[in-house]
Amino acid sequence: DAKTTQPPSMDCAEGRAANLPCNHSTISGNEYVYWYRQIHSQGPQYIIHGLKNNETNEMASLIITEDRKSSTLILPHATLRDTAVYYCIVRATTGANNLFFGTGTRLTVIP
Amino acid sequence: DAGITQSPRHKVTETGTPVTLRCHQTENHRYMYWYRQDPGHGLRLIHYSYGVKDTDKGEVSDGYSVSRSKTEDFLLTLESATSSQTSVYFCAISSRSVAGLQETQYFGPGTRLLVL
Repeated sequence: DAKTTQPPSMDCAEGRAANLPCNHSTISGNEYVYWYRQIHSQGPQYIIHGLKNNETNEMASLIITEDRKSSTLILPHATLRDTAVYYCIVRATTGANNLFFGTGTRLTVIP
Repeated sequence: DAGITQSPRHKVTETGTPVTLRCHQTENHRYMYWYRQDPGHGLRLIHYSYGVKDTDKGEVSDGYSVSRSKTEDFLLTLESATSSQTSVYFCAISSRSVAGLQETQYFGPGTRLLVL
């Protein structure tokens, strides 16, 4: 699976949109982009995933560039409860089943 | 949230003793996973299961064994616990899309294990 690069930390004001970037320049054609987050001491929580089209669900939006080498997770109205470590993961639909989490981005939502 | 529970949630044990952690799901998913999470290492896969009695090793399987006698339960056993196995252990289950092209893993709340 392709590796990802994320900034180690970001701050966001409460109520504003949080935009978390991820670079995955070696992504292959069959690899999906997944986003998870982990709030302190809890299990990782699935947020969203996509292949090449932008995706939106009740939690977030995922914007994938046309060349698929980078993506951005958008939390439209960040709350204090969104403070967490956010992981961008790319993986193929076949092959190894585990998710490579990396170090992620620690997002701090500031009141 | 996916119906995943882990037991115990916390455990303290002594070096050399056997320990069994349990993961229970109510989603009837085929795939189940055991990860450990340590500072500086992220999550690492220990073992996984792709069906009843079907298991395979992950990247850090030494010192661990697993069993899956029924769909809903996946057990992780530390045969003889060591201090290096002090960690937070997460179970995950996997759902696949109808077309089988996408796989999303959902995680349990974790078990904190301290080996003294």
